[in-house]
Amino acid sequence: AQSVSQHNHHVILSEAASLELGCNYSYGGTVNLFWYVQYPGQHLQLLLKYFSGDPLVKGIKGFEAEFIKSKFSFNLRKPSVQWSDTAEYFCAVISRGNNRLAFGKGNQVVVIP
Amino acid sequence: NAGVTQTPKFRVLKTGQSMTLLCAQDMNHEYMYWYRQDPGMGLRLIHYSVGEGTTAKGEVPDGYNVSRLKKQNFLLGLESAAPSQTSVYFCASSGGTVVRLGETQYFGPGTRLLVL
Repeated sequence: AQSVSQHNHHVILSEAASLELGCNYSYGGTVNLFWYVQYPGQHLQLLLKYFSGDPLVKGIKGFEAEFIKSKFSFNLRKPSVQWSDTAEYFCAVISRGNNRLAFGKGNQVVVIP
Repeated sequence: NAGVTQTPKFRVLKTGQSMTLLCAQDMNHEYMYWYRQDPGMGLRLIHYSVGEGTTAKGEVPDGYNVSRLKKQNFLLGLESAAPSQTSVYFCASSGGTVVRLGETQYFGPGTRLLVL
């Protein structure tokens, strides 16, 4: 079964610092990858997704992620975070032959003003 | 266009009570999902449906039942609630099929359930 690993569950950083969240998945076949964000008290929203093509994907609010197939990774980055980026971030993977998303356990990110 | 809506938003149950959570979507999506979210566990799929009249088990189906009598609605039932089912429940929908792999899932606002 496919699985998704996210490291460093709790991340605390100051405004203007750079953020990188790691995501690794276990499935070796064709996959599509997502990052979802959940702001405090809200539901999940799509941040960005990778289906095919350019492995560097740009999402909303200045986020980007890079798909590295050889490393089974899809790391999320933002060069300069803001207080409003305080949220929980989830990586998710769906693979061909299995039409269900598998979620990682999430990264709780707190940005200190 | 409301997207995905869930009712109720919050509920408290006693052990052994039953309840049904309702999810509705107005995007004409084929696929619908029920997840539970627990601290440090991420989202885990309970059941899902690939179309009206169909349902399938996800990762953690025990203690839950679902029905998809209408395309726009997906009901999650707890026949005999247990404290272990205290969680936040999210419904999602997507237009995807197996062919159109990886359609984005749209999430509802969640239902917070407390079982005493």
